[in-house]
This record gives sequence, structure tokens and C-alpha cells, in this order.
Amino acid sequence: SQKIEQNSEALNIQEGKTATLTCNYTNYSPAYLQWYRQDPGRGPVFLLLIRENEKEKRKERLKVTFDTTLKQSLFHITASQPADSATYLCALRPGSARQLTFGSGTQLTVLP
Amino acid sequence: SQTIHQWPATLVQPVGSPLSLECTVEGTSNPNLYWYRQAAGRGLQLLFYSVGIGQISSEVPQNLSASRPQDRQFILSSKKLLLSDSGFYLCAWRSLGLAGGVGTDTQYFGPGTRLTVL
Repeated sequence: SQKIEQNSEALNIQEGKTATLTCNYTNYSPAYLQWYRQDPGRGPVFLLLIRENEKEKRKERLKVTFDTTLKQSLFHITASQPADSATYLCALRPGSARQLTFGSGTQLTVLP
Repeated sequence: SQTIHQWPATLVQPVGSPLSLECTVEGTSNPNLYWYRQAAGRGLQLLFYSVGIGQISSEVPQNLSASRPQDRQFILSSKKLLLSDSGFYLCAWRSLGLAGGVGTDTQYFGPGTRLTVL
């Protein structure tokens, strides 16, 4: 069956460190993968999209990598801040499907 | 710019009562619209999507239904709520090639409705 897994339900790191979140998928061949941020009681907000032919994409302190051989995307937040605390969701659209499928998310807490 | 509205923000309903949640989008025409449910600590479950007025696709069999009476209006309903219907309901619209670039789609979510069925 097709699955998306995010590395852990919760991740705690110290302020200033780099947070690394993992998204693994099986039985998909997505053309691109997306990352969203969700704050408590709010809807997810789109952050970044990376295509299958891109190894890495950056946006300010965010970096996303995409390894289609490993079927894995890594999401990095450098110089993390308490304001980065949120749940981060990865999402992809299976090639034949019309809709996005979301992972269950990783809750990141950056400790001051 | 595009905005998406949902109401109410919170709702507490008894088991067996009806439900109507509304979602409207501004600043775009003929959007694809989506209803998701998110249970506590869980991921997003796609419930329904619509590609146009009167066109509804259901992703999972359930106690809920959806309707799209107008281009930018999407309604989630139930005739009789169950305890298991409790959750955070999110409406979203799809943008083609806006934020992610040509040939991609990203979704923009509303603020959500927290539904508690007692």
C-alpha cells in the first residue's frame, strides 16, 4: 500500500541548533513534494515545494532535500528559534492521483 | 489576493444533531475545493473534494456529505452526528502554479472549525 511516514511524532531541540525532519514514502513516484507548517488550532501553511529533479531547495533558514532513490525528503531549519515550534507536514501527490496526500506530521519544539 | 473563510470557528453539538459547516473563497474563480478532517494528534484525512458547482467526490465512506451550491462556496453537512465526528475540520482550495511554480499545485487552508460531539 502507499504510505507517507514522518520520522517521529515529536522532536525537541535547543534554540540555535539545526532541526532535521524526515519524510519517507513508499510505492509513490511523485513529481514533487511539499512541506507545510501548522500551528495549534490553525490550518496548515505552505512553505516549500521541491521537484523530483531538484536535489535541494532553500528559503531563508529552511532547506529541503529530495532523494527519489531513497524515497525520502529531509526538512532542515537552521539557527532554530522558539517561534519555529509547530507541526510540520509533508505532502505529495501520487502520479496517478488527483489529490495531495499528507503525512501525519512532526511536532517540533524549540527550547529557549 | 485570495482568502478563505470558515465558520463557525468552534462548535459543540450533541450526538444525533445535524451539522452544517460553511467555507467560502474570495479572489479566485472556479477553484478546486477540499474538506479535510484532522483528529487530535493525527494527520489530515481528505473527506471530499469538488472541481466545480454540484460536483462532489467522496474519499471515504462516512456519516458526512458535502455540497457546492456556488462556485466559491463549499458546505459540509451531516444529518445525525456521531461521537467519532469530533475533530478539526479544514477547508482548502488548490492553487495551480502559484506558489510552487508551473506544473505544481499547492493548497491554501482556511482557519478551521473545531467540532466537539458530546
